[in-house]
Amino acid sequence: GAGVSQSPSNKVTEKGKDVELRCDPISGHTALYWYRQRLGQGLEFLIYFQGNSAPDKSGLPSDRFSAERTGESVSTLTIQRTQQEDSAVYLCASSFRTSATYEQYFGPGTRLTVT
Amino acid sequence: GNSVTQMEGPVTLSEEAFLTINCTYTATGYPSLFWYVQYPGEGLQLLLKATKADDKGSNKGFEATYRKETTSFHLEKGSVQVSDSAVYFCALSDSGGGADGLTFGKGTHLIIQP
Repeated sequence: GAGVSQSPSNKVTEKGKDVELRCDPISGHTALYWYRQRLGQGLEFLIYFQGNSAPDKSGLPSDRFSAERTGESVSTLTIQRTQQEDSAVYLCASSFRTSATYEQYFGPGTRLTVT
Repeated sequence: GNSVTQMEGPVTLSEEAFLTINCTYTATGYPSLFWYVQYPGEGLQLLLKATKADDKGSNKGFEATYRKETTSFHLEKGSVQVSDSAVYFCALSDSGGGADGLTFGKGTHLIIQP
């Protein structure tokens, strides 16, 4: 079956512009996660959804970042007024439930470059 | 807070060599531990995991044992192949893998030469 998909695969934007990143999880997966990987760094956890609820938004780097999820499907990560330090690969993952019992399946990522 | 430290590499080995990639962690609770792998041009995928002390995770000839006394989860393989060339990430979950997401190390780039 289809895996996690993300779009766009690459995005180049000018500093100060808003960007929207999209994640389509595996069908039936109730949990969805966003991570960020900056050059030379490990993956940094940003936010998770159980269904369309995000109980803890404290991992988002700043108030310029927001995320939404429609039901148990598509999620969007929006970055407003982008800065150069936002340049990174943004990864989305989904799992059947929020538990270590269930594997997180990762998408291919969106590479964001802010010029 | 939680953290994962792993050797960064690149690690270059010849085919059939023995592989060890070290991983140590800091966690407030009793975490589950994971190794993820990213092959060239592909997404991250789970390689193996262990959810409690002394558990051994294994897959595709790779093994890692959850050592609580040394807070380690070193990845080993007895005989590597060229197809094992990839970036390997050690990770932990301190709340059952979900509520706080995964904490990752920086990744180890492994290069296997024929």
